[in-house]
Amino acid sequence: GAVVSQHPSWVICKSGTSVKIECRSLDFQATTMFWYRQFPKQSLMLMATSNEGSKATYEQGVEKDKFLINHASLTLSTLTVTSAHPEDSSFYICSAAGSGNNEQFFGPGTRLTVL
Amino acid sequence: AQSVTQPDIHITVSEGASLELRCNYSYGATPYLFWYVQSPGQGLQLLLKYFSGDTLVQGIKGFEAEFKRSQSSFNLRKPSVHWSDAAEYFCAAGIGTNAGKSTFGDGTTLTVKP
Repeated sequence: GAVVSQHPSWVICKSGTSVKIECRSLDFQATTMFWYRQFPKQSLMLMATSNEGSKATYEQGVEKDKFLINHASLTLSTLTVTSAHPEDSSFYICSAAGSGNNEQFFGPGTRLTVL
Repeated sequence: AQSVTQPDIHITVSEGASLELRCNYSYGATPYLFWYVQSPGQGLQLLLKYFSGDTLVQGIKGFEAEFKRSQSSFNLRKPSVHWSDAAEYFCAAGIGTNAGKSTFGDGTTLTVKP
């Protein structure tokens, strides 16, 4: 159990376009989802926390207008990178936590490359 | 401030040798503690976790970790390393019911020599 999927697994886009990444909890209700960014050979950097039906809480330094997060249901959260630029190229990982929220389950990640 | 430290950036061990990856945390209270493994281009897989109780925790793939309150440590161990264990290992900590929002260490890269 506790499976989290992400789609797409990789995406290449042109500078200035927007990219949407989906994160789904397949077999449990995710009251909270987290979005991370990971640069090569670095740790995970938490970008934002989203609770179903509420606005996401962004970490300091993360532009909420650039990284739009929607958590419309208990099984789906989306991250939209708006007007992407090459510096947004990274590995984006989501995770999901259930109502107890004492453990998170990670998706497989999405590799974004902006040309 | 809350923090998780993994002192070793890179560790190399021979296949069949024992392994210990270090993790220290700095929190006001005892946090929930986790070890994850990440293969290149993949997400994170939970190896084991400590919430309370027995301080020696058994995980998947033959890993174990020991929580030592006096040392604020949660070191990961494996008695005999396999080549497939080569990966990035992350220690993480979280507090109470919001442990899902964890703080991650910088990771330790494990290389396994044949």
